[in-house]
Amino acid sequence: EAGVTQSPTHLIKTRGQQATLRCSPISGHTSVYWYQQALGLGLQFLLWYDEGEERNRGNFPPRFSGRQFPNYSSELNVNALELEDSALYLCASSRGGDRPDTQYFGPGTRLTVL
Amino acid sequence: DQQVKQNSPSLSVQEGRISILNCDYTNSMFDYFLWYKKYPAEGPTFLISISSIKDKNEDGRFTVFLNKSAKHLSLHIVPSQPGDSAVYFCAASEYGAQKLVFGQGTRLTINP
Repeated sequence: EAGVTQSPTHLIKTRGQQATLRCSPISGHTSVYWYQQALGLGLQFLLWYDEGEERNRGNFPPRFSGRQFPNYSSELNVNALELEDSALYLCASSRGGDRPDTQYFGPGTRLTVL
Repeated sequence: DQQVKQNSPSLSVQEGRISILNCDYTNSMFDYFLWYKKYPAEGPTFLISISSIKDKNEDGRFTVFLNKSAKHLSLHIVPSQPGDSAVYFCAASEYGAQKLVFGQGTRLTINP
């Protein structure tokens, strides 16, 4: 069974640009979660998508947005990039439902903002 | 507001001994707890979980203990092996909140 995949592995952008990160969940999983791990910090919850809808978002500004496609894959978009957006962005998937079930993580996308 | 805290940023244990990683939480509504292991440049890997209706869950070398009155959980690894060297995160969720809350992580180093 294939795990959660993310692309690209690394992404380098300059301040003010937009970044798009992609995630494919484990087959059969309908929920996708996005987390940010800045250097030296824990995982901060960004967004949760389930069955194509945004179910919850963390304490991040609106320039962090995303969507989930009919095949349950997901995109995270970060607009107007700032230097402090440099971080490892992790995607996780789980079976759908009313609560976050055990989540399985992808390898992450390392975003560097110059 | 850090609802899940791992107060030890690092822990060093000799191979073959027991590793005990600790986690405290403040939200009494949390009812599901998980431990993840993370190697550098990889995503976290699920290890073990426990529901608040239990006080212990065991899976091979890994045992998680939950003390609800103290709002404390711990992960025991016995015996510790070199491959256990990683960063360990505890996480918690409450029904309806629709997210996991992670601690800051503890870096475990197993010495030969």
